[in-house]
Amino acid sequence: GAGVSQSPSNKVTEKGKDVELRCDPISGHTALYWYRQSLGQGLEFLIYFQGNSAPDKSGLPSDRFSAERTGGSVSTLTIQRTQQEDSAVYLCASSLGSGGNQPQHFGDGTRLSIL
Amino acid sequence: GESVGLHLPTLSVQEGDNSIINCAYSNSASDYFIWYKQESGKGPQFIIDIRSNMDKRQGQRVTVLLNKTVKHLSLQIAATQPGDSAVYFCAEIYSGSARQLTFGSGTQLTVLP
Repeated sequence: GAGVSQSPSNKVTEKGKDVELRCDPISGHTALYWYRQSLGQGLEFLIYFQGNSAPDKSGLPSDRFSAERTGGSVSTLTIQRTQQEDSAVYLCASSLGSGGNQPQHFGDGTRLSIL
Repeated sequence: GESVGLHLPTLSVQEGDNSIINCAYSNSASDYFIWYKQESGKGPQFIIDIRSNMDKRQGQRVTVLLNKTVKHLSLQIAATQPGDSAVYFCAEIYSGSARQLTFGSGTQLTVLP
């Protein structure tokens, strides 16, 4: 499809396990973002990638969270030793260029539930 | 408008009426604003954007108004339809330095038959 694709759509795991969430951005979009959305809340920024530049990790809540972007395209968000407070919807977005005045287009997210 | 806590502001309108959703943004330096629509189980969907050198922008059935003096943004939806029922978020960014959007907490729009 032409939009941002995320997988899995749902993930249920036990506390303490590691999880990997995947994002395929829109083709040609050089900027990629991860956000987290808790129930009934707005979106919380996690991390931003632009081309080959060093990512902006300023939103990551702890060192259990990390992300990679391979080949300037697909990105993986990894959460190690998951905790119950990590339960949320994790949303990925992409945009053209690095300018802050480009609209970000979102995938449908991964709903993560930690038991 | 904006809310604190887990309870979203709600707006109920009759089908066919016009809707106005309000947002108070936080950063006076923000120069780019976006309205998103989010349906249950979906990601935010881009509706319309506006730059700070404008005070009004129109799209198909939607109009965004920007008042920088009071840091206020509004989304007007003409002839509201059942498919417009969703949560609406405003988002802001200062394009000079930031790259991530700052989102408001959203407004739940319900269209009544």
